[in-house]
Amino acid sequence: DGGITQSPKYLFRKEGQNVTLSCEQNLNHDAMYWYRQDPGQGLRLIYYSQIVNDFQKGDIAEGYSVSREKKESFPLTVTSAQKNPTAFYLCASEPSGANVLTFGAGSRLTVL
Amino acid sequence: GESVGLHLPTLSVQEGDNSIINCAYSNSASDYFIWYKQESGKGPQFIIDIRSNMDKRQGQRVTVLLNKTVKHLSLQIAATQPGDSAVYFCAGLLGGGADGLTFGKGTHLIIQP
Repeated sequence: DGGITQSPKYLFRKEGQNVTLSCEQNLNHDAMYWYRQDPGQGLRLIYYSQIVNDFQKGDIAEGYSVSREKKESFPLTVTSAQKNPTAFYLCASEPSGANVLTFGAGSRLTVL
Repeated sequence: GESVGLHLPTLSVQEGDNSIINCAYSNSASDYFIWYKQESGKGPQFIIDIRSNMDKRQGQRVTVLLNKTVKHLSLQIAATQPGDSAVYFCAGLLGGGADGLTFGKGTHLIIQP
């Protein structure tokens, strides 16, 4: 079945550690996105990529980094520079220009 | 700046009743809106979309209404069922859509037996 797979589903980290969240899609979608979701805040865009080897900052990119070496993969690294990293992270993809996002199941990061 | 927002953070309805979830947007250049449903611990799922050249669109038990005059859209769910319990987001393609969809904050629909 085609879809988006995020892993891990739950992740705990200590302050000062970098962590990488995985996002893989087999939908052959060109564009991929990372959102952060906090209670009462809705979805906020972190980074997005319209094509391999290219990505742009979203509204809250500080403290995060991404790469897009393959069409299928768009990993997100939450760095130690992110001051409030505890959140639910959602990856999404869409065919180029379609504007209908398909979301993964999310990864919940908790900083201890 | 452009924004999309929901009117109520929480909506409680009786099972079997119709639910209406409202959303407003601030940019007249928007031309496309989507409603997503997010169940607890899961990613959002597409429910229905509507383009600005339409006033109404119907799906299975759901209807989206778009009022461009007052920049308002609503999601109506008929005969609400326990499985409808979720957070509902409206999202819009605002300001030309250069940065993709803009999401509202979500309304948590609670179904009472």
